[in-house]
Amino acid sequence: AQSVTQPDIHITVSEGASLELRCNYSYGATPYLFWYVQSPGQGLQLLLKYFSGDTLVQGIKGFEAEFKRSQSSFNLRKPSVHWSDAAEYFCASSGGSYIPTFGRGTSLIVHP
Amino acid sequence: DTEVTQTPKHLVMGMTNKKSLKCEQHMGHRAMYWYKQKAKKPPELMFVYSYEKLSINESVPSRFSPECPNSSLLNLHLHALQPEDSALYLCASSQIPGRTGGTEAFFGQGTRLTVV
Repeated sequence: AQSVTQPDIHITVSEGASLELRCNYSYGATPYLFWYVQSPGQGLQLLLKYFSGDTLVQGIKGFEAEFKRSQSSFNLRKPSVHWSDAAEYFCASSGGSYIPTFGRGTSLIVHP
Repeated sequence: DTEVTQTPKHLVMGMTNKKSLKCEQHMGHRAMYWYKQKAKKPPELMFVYSYEKLSINESVPSRFSPECPNSSLLNLHLHALQPEDSALYLCASSQIPGRTGGTEAFFGQGTRLTVV
């Protein structure tokens, strides 16, 4: 069975600083991996996805993620965080099926 | 168009009421989902429809009754809910990939349900 772990419940960064949110997956074969963002009271917006090929994936809003099979990781990065990036970030996987399973989420707090 | 539309955005209902949540997509997706999300938690899968047939029911209580009238519409009928059912209900849709393919799910904005 597939599972996704987000080890950090909260991450606090200063505006303009770089960001890395961690995600680890558990699945035997190559999983399909996603990062979603959710603002309070809103739905989930897809930031980026990884199916195969180039392990560095570019997404919307200046985000990127790198798939590392050796570390079973798919960490999300952004070089310079804006106050509007404050939100809940979910890593998800659909390895083995097309139905996404979510990690517990990481709350990003941005200080001015 | 990558939009999934959910109505209503907010719903307050009593424990004896019957109400329905609606979801619509026009992306030609043949998989549609209902998720329940409590505050500060990830979405939890409730139901999956594949080609308009119920393919997954994650042991959801019968007071929640899903319906997929056609390939673009998904409903969730609510009856005799409890206060603990108050949550954000999210609809999503995706393609159904081939054996080796992957696909992403697109989510609606959700219905904020409060049971009083």
